[in-house]
Amino acid sequence: GQQVMQIPQYQHVQEGEDFTTYCNSSTTLSNIQWYKQRPGGHPVFLIQLVKSGEVKKQKRLTFQFGEAKKNSSLHITATQTTDVGTYFCAGIDSGTYKYIFGTGTRLKVLA
Amino acid sequence: GAVVSQHPSWVICKSGTSVKIECRSLDFQATTMFWYRQFPKQSLMLMATSNEGSKATYEQGVEKDKFLINHASLTLSTLTVTSAHPEDSSFYICSARVGRSYSNQPQHFGDGTRLSIL
Repeated sequence: GQQVMQIPQYQHVQEGEDFTTYCNSSTTLSNIQWYKQRPGGHPVFLIQLVKSGEVKKQKRLTFQFGEAKKNSSLHITATQTTDVGTYFCAGIDSGTYKYIFGTGTRLKVLA
Repeated sequence: GAVVSQHPSWVICKSGTSVKIECRSLDFQATTMFWYRQFPKQSLMLMATSNEGSKATYEQGVEKDKFLINHASLTLSTLTVTSAHPEDSSFYICSARVGRSYSNQPQHFGDGTRLSIL
């Protein structure tokens, strides 16, 4: 069945190090959205990518949508303790129109 | 903007009780609302999608008679867990979005409801 896998599942980094999470879908997505969920909180929308190969930046965060629209990445430069949380990708399957959340990557930043 | 309020945030009740959870969009009209279940340290599992004025669409494996969803207005959806049992204990979270099922508008999440059935 349809899956959107994220790797790694967990990542511990020292403050100041970079971090990347990868989102891989078994099917083509019409869009990709990224959310951040702080511990004990709810997911908060970060950004949406729609075009093949699209790259968007938000301060230290860089988001990319793959050429085949089946994968995406989120890169954080020089992590800070405020970046702690779980990052989820999500998207709409181009064939079934189902909205699917990725498995998430939990980030811990050590001061 | 785009605030979603979910109530209650925490429920503890006895087995066999029915529990109603409310999800309200406070500053926008939500054509579509979603109900998720999240287990500790896991991703969100979509339970059902509801469009205002229509019957909810349930995901495979989710019992519609167990989890009753009502989306009677553009600002309110409710999830009722009927005759709850300990295995229904979980974190339930709703989200709201402008646009119908295939819209690519972002979802705005409530704070979630932690349900504990004794």
